[in-house]
Amino acid sequence: AQSVTQPDIHITVSEGASLELRCNYSYGATPYLFWYVQSPGQGLQLLLKYFSGDTLVQGIKGFEAEFKRSQSSFNLRKPSVHWSDAAEYFCAVGRQGAQKLVFGQGTRLTINP
Amino acid sequence: EAQVTQNPRYLITVTGKKLTVTCSQNMNHEYMSWYRQDPGLGLRQIYYSMNVEVTDKGDVPEGYKVSRKEKRNFPLILESPSPNQTSLYFCASSFSGFEKLFFGSGTQLSVL
Repeated sequence: AQSVTQPDIHITVSEGASLELRCNYSYGATPYLFWYVQSPGQGLQLLLKYFSGDTLVQGIKGFEAEFKRSQSSFNLRKPSVHWSDAAEYFCAVGRQGAQKLVFGQGTRLTINP
Repeated sequence: EAQVTQNPRYLITVTGKKLTVTCSQNMNHEYMSWYRQDPGLGLRQIYYSMNVEVTDKGDVPEGYKVSRKEKRNFPLILESPSPNQTSLYFCASSFSGFEKLFFGSGTQLSVL
């Protein structure tokens, strides 16, 4: 069965610092991978997705993620965070032919001024 | 404006009192789905619908019902709510499957 692990429940970084959020998945074939962001009191918004091709994908709001098959990882990065990036981030995996996403537990990001 | 609208935003009820959470989308999406979000568990799928009159169970369907009589609406029904259904609920939709989901703002449900 598919599963997603986000090892970090809560991360705090300073504004302007770089960010990396970790995501590990368990799935036998090539997965479909996603990162969503949830701002306080809001629904989730898609940041980026990976289906195939270039393993480094660019998303909205200056985020990128890299698919590493050998490590079963899909980590999210941003070179310089802004206070508005404070939110909860969810990694998710789906598989071709299925109709559901499996979400990780989420990582809450706090930004220090 | 393209959106997924859920109502109500907050709901407090008592055990056993039937309730419905509505979900409507104005994007002509084929696919709709319900999730519940609980601390430390992320989002878990309750039910989904590929099209009108086509629904199927997700990972945690027990205690919930859905219907898809119209393309735009996908209500979630709790016929006899229990305290373990206290949660934050999200409706989502997309053109097809999970490729790009659009989420509603959520419904915070408390069952006393």
